[in-house]
Parts: sequence; C-alpha cells; structure tokens
Amino acid sequence: AQTVTQSQPEMSVQEAETVTLSCTYDTSENNYYLFWYKQPPSRQMILVIRQEAYKQQNATENRFSVNFQKAAKSFSLKISDSQLGDTAMYFCAFMKHWGGGADGLTFGKGTHLIIQP
Amino acid sequence: DVKVTQSSRYLVKRTGEKVFLECVQDMDHENMFWYRQDPGLGLRLIYFSYDVKMKEKGDIPEGYSVSREKKERFSLILESASTNQTSMYLCASGGRDFGSSYNSPLHFGNGTRLTVT
Repeated sequence: AQTVTQSQPEMSVQEAETVTLSCTYDTSENNYYLFWYKQPPSRQMILVIRQEAYKQQNATENRFSVNFQKAAKSFSLKISDSQLGDTAMYFCAFMKHWGGGADGLTFGKGTHLIIQP
Repeated sequence: DVKVTQSSRYLVKRTGEKVFLECVQDMDHENMFWYRQDPGLGLRLIYFSYDVKMKEKGDIPEGYSVSREKKERFSLILESASTNQTSMYLCASGGRDFGSSYNSPLHFGNGTRLTVT
C-alpha cells in the first residue's frame, strides 16, 4: 500500500512571497503519477499540477512548480509570487500507473496555506 | 467543461436511516470514486468503479455500499447511518489513464456535507 505524508499542517506567508509545501511518499511501484490538488473554501478540488514518475523534468504550471526527487520519494510544490487567491488546503496525492483498472488517488492529510495581505 | 454533480450540498439524517448520496458526471468517464474527507485525515477512498455494475472496495468501505447501474451515475449508500459517518463526501470521475498529463485529470464534485444525529 502507498502512503503520502505532508508534514506541514499549516503555513502562512505574506503576499508575493515564495512558499514551498513538502510531500513525501512511500511506494514499491516504479511507474506512478503524483498530483497536487488545491481546495479553497468553496470545497471544489482543483488540480494544480501533476507529474509522471518516468519524466525526469519537473512539471511547471505558471507560478506553480514541483521539485520531484524520485530516489528520495519527495514531491514538493513551490508557489512563486503568492496571491491571496492561493489561500486553500493543498493535498498531495499518489496514483499507481493505471493499467486496465484504476485504484484512485491516495492523498496526504493536507497543508492549510494562508496568504496574508 | 467536465461536470461532476453531487445531488446535495448539505444533508442531515438520523441514526439508523438509509442514506443515498448521488453523483452524476457528464463526460462519459469510465472511472468514478467516492471519498470521505475529515479534518486532519485528508481524503480516504471508500469505493470506486471502473465500469458499469463494477465496484471495488477502497480503504474504508465498512458501513457503505455503492451502486453503478448507469455509466454516468455512481451512488453511495449508507445502509444504516451512524454518527461516525458524519463527514464531507466527495465524488470524482476520470477517463482512462486520467493520471497522464496528456489526458483530462480526475474531476471532483463540490462535496456533500453529511451530518448524522
């Protein structure tokens, strides 16, 4: 079974600062996907960024980027130039490489990120 | 735009009642999931389905059952609701290989906050 650990229950930074959310995971799989989801107060889960384990290049989406260290089983999210709208719960998630049937995502417990004006 | 619709945003039920949570998706996705979200515990997978009439247990299936008679609809059933099932319930759907960055990712509904008294 896979486990996902987010060691920071809550973080608070000033607007425009850069913040890094940490995530580690444990798996014996070699092929898998990793995700960061954001959940604002509206409760809607929004995909922020995803990474295929076979890709060495770190994924980026505008102000969001990841530092994927496969050997260390680490998948941190960096938010640059943070904005008030980034305030949300952030969940790191793992999924085995899909091969005919989906097992769903395994989530961490979340990090509550607060962006201060 | 993909839509995953959960029939109720808030629900209050009494202990022992049979409870149905409905989820409908409009993108012809094969895979559908039910998660439970609790503070400090993140999201935990209850059941999932990768095809009509197919169902698989997730990590916490006890006290729940599911039904998938049509591809677009995935129902979560609490046979006899108990107070420890008070929680937020999230439905999600995804097409084949939704983990790959070449495909549409997993999409979530807005959640049903269930209170059992």
